[in-house]
Amino acid sequence: AQSVAQPEDQVNVAEGNPLTVKCTYSVSGNPYLFWYVQYPNRGLQFLLKYITGDNLVKGSYGFEAEFNKSQTSFHLKKPSALVSDSALYFCAVRDRRTGGFKTIFGAGTRLFVKA
Amino acid sequence: NAGVTQTPKFRVLKTGQSMTLLCAQDMNHEYMYWYRQDPGMGLRLIHYSVGEGTTAKGEVPDGYNVSRLKKQNFLLGLESAAPSQTSVYFCASRSGSGGNTDTQYFGPGTRLTVL
Repeated sequence: AQSVAQPEDQVNVAEGNPLTVKCTYSVSGNPYLFWYVQYPNRGLQFLLKYITGDNLVKGSYGFEAEFNKSQTSFHLKKPSALVSDSALYFCAVRDRRTGGFKTIFGAGTRLFVKA
Repeated sequence: NAGVTQTPKFRVLKTGQSMTLLCAQDMNHEYMYWYRQDPGMGLRLIHYSVGEGTTAKGEVPDGYNVSRLKKQNFLLGLESAAPSQTSVYFCASRSGSGGNTDTQYFGPGTRLTVL
């Protein structure tokens, strides 16, 4: 069965420090990978995606993610966290094959950035 | 360009009542989705549609029905609401082009409480 795991319910980091939000997946083939962010009382917003090519993907608001095929991971990173980065982050995967209509989401990781 | 909109934003129902949630998108997207978000469980797919007049079941379809009579609208119905359907409901859409690489756009959510 296809699944996405975000092993940490919550990540705490001090402002200015680097942050990592972890994601691993179990999907057949080579899926497309996404990160979304959700601010309080809002819908999810797209941050970045991995399609092909360079394993380091850059996205919105200074975020980047590193795709590691051997470890089936797609960790979200930012070199210097801001208090405004505090939100709920979701990793998601989608099948590359024709008919891959669905996107599978992880349970989410809440990020707290302390001033 | 309003993107994805949802009506209503909040609703309280009594057990056994029915209601319809409306999702509208103005981006001419082919694919539309209904998710529910519950604490610690991420987003779970209820139903989805890959085009006008088509619908399909997702991960947790029981107790819900959907219709896509017009391309821009995707309706989610609860025929007889139960407390287990207390949740935040999100609609999403994507163009359906780009071989599954396209991004999903989410609405702001509907917070439903069933007493």
